[in-house]
Amino acid sequence: DAMVIQNPRYQVTQFGKPVTLSCSQTLNHNVMYWYQQKSSQAPKLLFHYYDKDFNNEADTPDNFQSRRPNTSFCFLDIRSPGLGDAAMYLCATSRDRGMGETQYFGPGTRLLVL
Amino acid sequence: DAKTTQPPSMDCAEGRAANLPCNHSTISGNEYVYWYRQIHSQGPQYIIHGLKNNETNEMASLIITEDRKSSTLILPHATLRDTAVYYCIATIMEYGNKLVFGAGTILRVKS
Repeated sequence: DAMVIQNPRYQVTQFGKPVTLSCSQTLNHNVMYWYQQKSSQAPKLLFHYYDKDFNNEADTPDNFQSRRPNTSFCFLDIRSPGLGDAAMYLCATSRDRGMGETQYFGPGTRLLVL
Repeated sequence: DAKTTQPPSMDCAEGRAANLPCNHSTISGNEYVYWYRQIHSQGPQYIIHGLKNNETNEMASLIITEDRKSSTLILPHATLRDTAVYYCIATIMEYGNKLVFGAGTILRVKS
């Protein structure tokens, strides 16, 4: 089945130690998104890639970066994780950015910062 | 994106229809209504979306009022596995392509 895959499902890192989360998709979608979901809160968009074009949300901290080396893969890099960055990180894809397009989410990676 | 209002929680008996309301009184003409759900510790799952007409798929039905100011998601035969947070989102999904999630409705299906 075509899907959005996130590995690992759980990631533990130390305060200030860079960490990378990965997302891959077999849907061949043009757009890939990263959302952050803190405990008991709704998901919040950090940024998205439209093909190779990176689109950052205005309030996304500089500590968060992303890479998309090819259509299938997208990475979320947290340069210096703080305790407040502990959250579920969700990857999503959509075929395009047109009206009525649908986003499909992966299972998420839960990040714990010690 | 139009603001949406949903009840914080609802209960439904297993096997009965679950009707989840959403108010989006400021929706504009080109904003779609999307429904997602999130089961505990999983990623959001797309359910259905619509613009003006009622929609049905294998998971649910979406009823949008004629003035488009409110909608109802219907799960025809709720099961325990339908217990989740249900999000109603009104968005153009064009430029920023952002899904802005509100607080959602916690649906508890009980046996």
